[in-house]
Amino acid sequence: AQTVTQSQPEMSVQEAETVTLSCTYDTSESNYYLFWYKQPPSRQMILVIRQEAYKQQNATENRFSVNFQKAAKSFSLKISDSQLGDTAMYFCAFTPSNFGNEKLTFGTGTRLTIIP
Amino acid sequence: EAGVTQFPSHSVIEKGQTVTLRCDPISGHDNLYWYRRVMGKEIKFLLHFVKESKQDESGMPNNRFLAERTGGTYSTLKVQPAELEDSGVYFCASSQESSSYNSPLHFGNGTRLTVT
Repeated sequence: AQTVTQSQPEMSVQEAETVTLSCTYDTSESNYYLFWYKQPPSRQMILVIRQEAYKQQNATENRFSVNFQKAAKSFSLKISDSQLGDTAMYFCAFTPSNFGNEKLTFGTGTRLTIIP
Repeated sequence: EAGVTQFPSHSVIEKGQTVTLRCDPISGHDNLYWYRRVMGKEIKFLLHFVKESKQDESGMPNNRFLAERTGGTYSTLKVQPAELEDSGVYFCASSQESSSYNSPLHFGNGTRLTVT
């Protein structure tokens, strides 16, 4: 069974600073996908960034980037130049690449607050 | 396009009562998923529909939970009779394809269920 661990229940950072959210996972699968989802207060959860395990290059989406360490089974999210709109719950998620039946395994989430 | 909508947004019921949650996916999305987050814990997969068929219901907690998707459009999740441990936020998500990497999930706002 796969597990996803987010060891930081809450974090806060000043606006414009950089923050890194940690995520580790455990799996015996050889190929899989990793995701970071964001849920702003009272709003829908949306995809922030995704990474395919066999791609060594770290994914980047504007101010969001990941540090994917496959051997260490680590998938941290870095938010650069943080903005007030980044305040949200952040969930790390994993799924084996099993086409046709992909269900996500989530971590417990990190509540991130950006301080003005 | 309209997003995934869930109704009601909140529901408070007494132990032993019945509650039905509804999810309207994005039009044209064949894949519909139900997830649940118990307070402070991880978001857990409940089940996956492809059109009107249950592709995977391995996450359903017990037979007090019944999910349907008649006609392959909206879905309902009924809890009967509700127990205290059923409290949590129930998320619905939809996607065009079953591959979560190529076709990311679109989540609804969730239904917060409180059983007293």
